[in-house]
Amino acid sequence: DAKTTQPPSMDCAEGRAANLPCNHSTISGNEYVYWYRQIHSQGPQYIIHGLKNNETNEMASLIITEDRKSSTLILPHATLRDTAVYYCIVKDNQGGKLIFGQGTELSVKP
Amino acid sequence: GAVVSQHPSRVICKSGTSVKIECRSLDFQATTMFWYRQFPKQSLMLMATSNEGSKATYEQGVEKDKFLINHASLTLSTLTVTSAHPEDSSFYICSARDTSGGSGSTEAFFGQGTRLTVV
Repeated sequence: DAKTTQPPSMDCAEGRAANLPCNHSTISGNEYVYWYRQIHSQGPQYIIHGLKNNETNEMASLIITEDRKSSTLILPHATLRDTAVYYCIVKDNQGGKLIFGQGTELSVKP
Repeated sequence: GAVVSQHPSRVICKSGTSVKIECRSLDFQATTMFWYRQFPKQSLMLMATSNEGSKATYEQGVEKDKFLINHASLTLSTLTVTSAHPEDSSFYICSARDTSGGSGSTEAFFGQGTRLTVV
């Protein structure tokens, strides 16, 4: 599975949009981009995933570049409860295991 | 989304004893479940893939005789930490995917984790 690169930490003001980048330059054609987050001392929570097209759900939007080498997770109106470590993972559609990198620690500040 | 329940959420045990952690998929069947371990300030590390009705597949460096995995039904996998030592103290997390639809792009759901402390 392709490796991902994320900034180790980011800050965001409450109520503003949080844009979390992820580089996955070695992604292959059958690999999806998944985003999870982990609030302290809890199991990871699924946020969103996509293959080529941009995706949006009730939690976030996922913007994938045309060459698929990078993506951005957007939390449109960040709240204090969005403070967490956000993981970007690429995975093919064969097998099921998710390999976690170091993620981005997002701190939402009042 | 689907629910994965993990029990217990927290356990303290004496060195040398064994501890069993349960992972249940509550509203879907999971032929495959995954076990992770997480040390403080670190990311999740995959330990093993639990396969219903067959042996688990362990990641490199994980001792299969120390971390026993049983996946006896489509909704339950257990991880037993045998002869626990203080260095086994960690946060253990399971996950499962609902593959009943046949698609490989489905998301994985995670349990709430088990905090193991070996004293």
